[in-house]
Amino acid sequence: DTAVSQTPKYLVTQMGNDKSIKCEQNLGHDTMYWYKQDSKKFLKIMFSYNNKELIINETVPNRFSPKSPDKAHLNLHINSLELGDSAVYFCASSTSGGQYFGPGTRLTVL
Amino acid sequence: AQSVTQLDSQVPVFEEAPVELRCNYSSSVSVYLFWYVQYPNQGLQLLLKYLSGSTLVESINGFEAEFNKSQTSFHLRKPSVHISDTAEYFCAVTFGQAGTALIFGKGTTLSVSS
Repeated sequence: DTAVSQTPKYLVTQMGNDKSIKCEQNLGHDTMYWYKQDSKKFLKIMFSYNNKELIINETVPNRFSPKSPDKAHLNLHINSLELGDSAVYFCASSTSGGQYFGPGTRLTVL
Repeated sequence: AQSVTQLDSQVPVFEEAPVELRCNYSSSVSVYLFWYVQYPNQGLQLLLKYLSGSTLVESINGFEAEFNKSQTSFHLRKPSVHISDTAEYFCAVTFGQAGTALIFGKGTTLSVSS
């Protein structure tokens, strides 16, 4: 059973397009996150939701909009994609015992 | 400011040699410490964690890490590495309480050769 799943795994698109990445966890965790891993493999928090409420919103362009329809899902919608958005996006969920990551979505903006 | 520093960006070692990957953090509040491993083109896997209690924590595949509060360190060690340990290793910290966002170090590439 997959604990944290993301779709799609790969996403290739043109500049200016709008795209979404979906995330689901079946661990029963209350908190979910989106992280961005850049080309140098550096990981940085983007958003955090706890029980469908936004907790953390780092300095991310407002073209990025997370949405949590329920506790098990946290989707990421990106408007007007730019070249610099190319990265690997990881969803994660957590209890007090640590965070568990999805397999990542590699976004390539052409 | 709170931060995590991984002192080595790349660590090349021969198979069956011991290895230590260094991690230091800066914080004025309580911390929870983690090591994650990322194999090529894969996601992050939780390797081990320190939340409280014994300062020496172990993983199922032979890695261990020791929380040293006075030196603000959480170094990762393995007495004998395998080729299959080749991966990127990330030290991460949450501050204040468990469940908050992770702050990651920049990662250490462990390359094991025969």
